[in-house]
Amino acid sequence: EVQLVESGGGLVKPGGSLRLSCAASGFTFSSYSMMWVRQAPGKGLEYVSSIGSSGSYMYYADSVKGRFTISRDNAKNSLYLQMNSLRAEDTAVYYCARSDIVARSWDYWGQGTLVTVSS
Amino acid sequence: QSVLTQPPSVSAAPGQKVTISCSGSSSNIGNNYVSWYQQLPGTAPKLLIYDNNKRPSGIPDRFSGSKSGTSATLGITGLQTGDEADYYCATWDSSLSAWVFGGGTKLTVL
Repeated sequence: EVQLVESGGGLVKPGGSLRLSCAASGFTFSSYSMMWVRQAPGKGLEYVSSIGSSGSYMYYADSVKGRFTISRDNAKNSLYLQMNSLRAEDTAVYYCARSDIVARSWDYWGQGTLVTVSS
Repeated sequence: QSVLTQPPSVSAAPGQKVTISCSGSSSNIGNNYVSWYQQLPGTAPKLLIYDNNKRPSGIPDRFSGSKSGTSATLGITGLQTGDEADYYCATWDSSLSAWVFGGGTKLTVL
């Protein structure tokens, strides 16, 4: 069974940093692209970042470019999101998701982890 | 303002049919595959439709997808109260080099 479990969320002050993790199981992690998507309270889904299966390519939304870094450790079946210079508008539930094998859609999603940026 | 435009809400009675539109441009929907996601209240999104019109295993054929030009449509027939959710379209945007989502459509089954 495919499972994605996010962790690392919490309360952080503006300007602070946080590292999210997504532990994957039930599939060959190194064969799939992965993505982070966030959802601010009461708002819609917003793409954050994605990474290729080998980590050879990474993409970011303009809203996080230069502040967030996506990475993965295929030996540990884990996806990460390093978030620096956090702002109040980064407050959201962060979901990790797995691509389908051809990376044209996202077929499994984690339950999300809440990040709150507030003083 | 989302790159992909969806109506904020739609509603219909149980047993009826509803369609949800998703409008984009040549840099996204026009040249890339569209997928649709269902988000039930308080839960994570779930893949409903991929590659414009394909259903993953386990998704009933009451759900359908189509694409024409720079627009896509999600159709749901035989509406059930359990279909009440937010629905999102998504695709790759070649100009932005990023995935883009619609703003979401809240479906109410009256």
